[in-house]
Amino acid sequence: QQKVQQSPESLIVPEGGMASLNCTSSDRNVDYFWWYRQHSGKSPKMLMSIFSNGEKEEGRFTVHLNKASLHTSLHIRDSQPSDSALYLCAASKASNTNKVVFGTGTRLQVLP
Amino acid sequence: GPKVLQIPSHQIIDMGQMVTLNCDPVSNHLYFYWYKQILGQQMEFLVNFYNGKVMEKSKLFKDQFSVERPDGSYFTLKIQPTALEDSAVYFCASSQGQGGSYEQYFGPGTRLTVL
Repeated sequence: QQKVQQSPESLIVPEGGMASLNCTSSDRNVDYFWWYRQHSGKSPKMLMSIFSNGEKEEGRFTVHLNKASLHTSLHIRDSQPSDSALYLCAASKASNTNKVVFGTGTRLQVLP
Repeated sequence: GPKVLQIPSHQIIDMGQMVTLNCDPVSNHLYFYWYKQILGQQMEFLVNFYNGKVMEKSKLFKDQFSVERPDGSYFTLKIQPTALEDSAVYFCASSQGQGGSYEQYFGPGTRLTVL
């Protein structure tokens, strides 16, 4: 059964600091990785996606993907208290199924 | 951005009763999903649905669960009968296309409490 593992389970960073979150898939056939952010009591919102090896940057957020190791990471620079949330990594395949498998999540807390 | 609506936001029922959770997906989306999340933790896939049919379901999608979208109205998740372990937040999602590269948009969730 495909699994997506995230680490750490929880992370505390000071305001202005860098937060680094990790995610690895156990399924070698995944093609796409997604990062969702979920504030408490709210729905997940897609933050960034990455489909190719390398790096992608959008504002304060950077994602890396290494397809050989099936590992992706999300880095948040200049972290803000509003970044405090549950970060969910997800993986999917380029097949007819639209199934997305979510990871266990990393709970980020940014202290003012 | 595109919005998925869910009704109700919170439902409390007694164990053994039937419950129907309603989802109004993004208007031009064709693929629909239900997920289950317990205690703000892992989001777990239940089922996906296209063109009136279940495409794939997980082990969490028990025989007591069913989904349908009659005549393009709400996409519904029905649980009959409910069990205590069904207490969770249920999220509906929709996407425009087929294949894992299409973003899924999530609704605000329905918190189901089974007593």
